[in-house]
Formats: sequence, structure tokens, C-alpha cells
Amino acid sequence: DAKTTQPPSMDCAEGRAANLPCNHSTISGNEYVYWYRQIHSQGPQYIIHGLKNNETNEMASLIITEDRKSSTLILPHATLRDTAVYYCIVRSYYGGSQGNLIFGKGTKLSVKP
Amino acid sequence: KAGVTQTPRYLIKTRGQQVTLSCSPISGHRSVSWYQQTPGQGLQFLFEYFSETQRNKGNFPGRFSGRQFSNSRSEMNVSTLELGDSALYLCASSRQTGEYGQETQYFGPGTRLLVL
Repeated sequence: DAKTTQPPSMDCAEGRAANLPCNHSTISGNEYVYWYRQIHSQGPQYIIHGLKNNETNEMASLIITEDRKSSTLILPHATLRDTAVYYCIVRSYYGGSQGNLIFGKGTKLSVKP
Repeated sequence: KAGVTQTPRYLIKTRGQQVTLSCSPISGHRSVSWYQQTPGQGLQFLFEYFSETQRNKGNFPGRFSGRQFSNSRSEMNVSTLELGDSALYLCASSRQTGEYGQETQYFGPGTRLLVL
């Protein structure tokens, strides 16, 4: 089972920041938080990942709380092309089955004009 | 750098047939994982290959198998197809420099299989 909890859906106005929350209260010390998104019927696209520090790349920012029990993915200026299902995944650094990506149901983000 | 490629992109088969799907990882990536996505079950892990060896396996019946070649390309095979095998089959590759250390997985576009 997925170790994360996400709201099933969210709306965001085009041009505004989209803030997608994720709860991972049982995360352990060697587990990273990964975010992927899937635009309809395409393969999931990697967005960003982090361990405990906040991370930023050209696509998004990832804010992880100090206790690491939750995180927020921020798309700073959402566009219509950001409409997708966003998956928050907790994943072990180490090999074996812990390293597999276990997808939950994700958050369906709808960016509206 | 080219991304993960999967062939074919679409496939129609009938019950009882078998099918082979192919995945070419990103150049330099040695690990290939396969996932199945259905509307009912979502995205589920099938298996992972690293250096031509199956390293992990998900909870799927033995009809689902795979292999990896020396150039890291991978194939998965489904024998005796059932209607429920209709799905999007996704391949993901990652760099993997050793036995431990899970690198980021990058997905291909998928192969959509329809079983009639």
C-alpha cells in the first residue's frame, strides 16, 4: 500500500501557484519523497525529490516539514499544461522491494483559465 | 539524451495469446522496471531488472515474465492473455551504479495493450 495520503482533486487558476499537499506520517529516515505527474495516458513524468531539505528545480519546489511527516509540491505559475494527476511517493534509498515506486491514487490537479 | 522508448505503442490481442513488449532505457541506465496501469488497480509494480538479473518482483502471476539483455534493453512477456491484462504497460529506467542506491526512475510513454 502507498505510504502517502493526498487529496483526490484540486483546482488552480492559471498563472497562480499550485500547492499540492502530501501526508507521509510514517516515513522513515532512509526514505525520500518523490513527486511524479501523469498527463492523461502518458508515462509518469519525474518532477522532483527530496530527503529533508527543501528542493527547487526548473519545474517545481518541494517543501518538506521539519518532522518530515508532510510535504508540499509548489508549481509557482501553473499553466493549462500542468493539468495532470500528481503522485507523491515515499521511496527507500536502498535496494530490494523498498526501492520500488508504490503509487497511490494521487491528486488530480485541474488548472483553469 | 533520448528518453525511454517502448515498442509497440499500441497492441490488440485476443484471449489466450501471448505478447512481448520491448523497452529501451536511457543511454547509460542499467536498471529497468516495469509497471502495469489499469483504471481499477492504478499503477502497480511488476518487476525490476539490473545487470540482466531480476532484482525485484511484484505480486503478479507467473504469466508475467521479463528479461534484460546485456545492452540493458528489456522485454516483458505475458502468456495466456486474459481480458484483465488490458492495461497500459510502462517501463522506467534508472542509472543505478551499484546494488544499493535507488536512482530516480524515468518513464517511457507506455504500451497500451487491449485484450479482446
